[in-house]
Amino acid sequence: ILNVEQSPQSLHVQEGDSTNFTCSFPSSNFYALHWYRWETAKSPEALFVMTLNGDEKKKGRISATLNTKEGYSYLYIKGSQPEDSATYLCASHLIQGAQKLVFGQGTRLTINP
Amino acid sequence: ETGVTQTPRHLVMGMTNKKSLKCEQHLGHNAMYWYKQSAKKPLELMFVYSLEERVENNSVPSRFSPECPNSSHLFLHLHTLQPEDSALYLCASSLQGPPSTDTQYFGPGTRLTVL
Repeated sequence: ILNVEQSPQSLHVQEGDSTNFTCSFPSSNFYALHWYRWETAKSPEALFVMTLNGDEKKKGRISATLNTKEGYSYLYIKGSQPEDSATYLCASHLIQGAQKLVFGQGTRLTINP
Repeated sequence: ETGVTQTPRHLVMGMTNKKSLKCEQHLGHNAMYWYKQSAKKPLELMFVYSLEERVENNSVPSRFSPECPNSSHLFLHLHTLQPEDSALYLCASSLQGPPSTDTQYFGPGTRLTVL
């Protein structure tokens, strides 16, 4: 069974501060990791897909790192803005057949003006 | 707005009703997915279609019946549901299906309430 865990479950951050949160996954059988951003009443939006140990991806003020040997990925947001308020999901593929994405429960981020 | 649309956005139905959820993707993708999100649980994969063939059925009860008439459309037919089936149902598509790791693009979901 593949479990993907995210922490914290929720987070309140002051506007302008930087923040980060974690996605943990089993390091054996790793194939790929996806990050999504999900605003209320909208569609989840793909942020990154990462496959290699040591990968770093960046999109504007958001960046992510990947450590496949220890089984974790960090998502960083620099200089948080109110529009960053959303739930951030990570999801991992199994290596055998990579048949499906297994999602974590998400980190709900609220930016306080 | 994403290239994946879902209708209806909200649905209330009784346990004896039959209804269908519709998903359409305008991205030219070859794979489509149904996910379920129950309260306080992660997204759970229900079904995967690749090139209009079902390639994954994740132990879903038979009261949920998917249909993929072509690569752009996906339906989820619902009959004799239970109140615990109340959830958000999300559709997604990707360029290639399993075993690729292509990004999945999601629709906004249908909020289903079963009375």
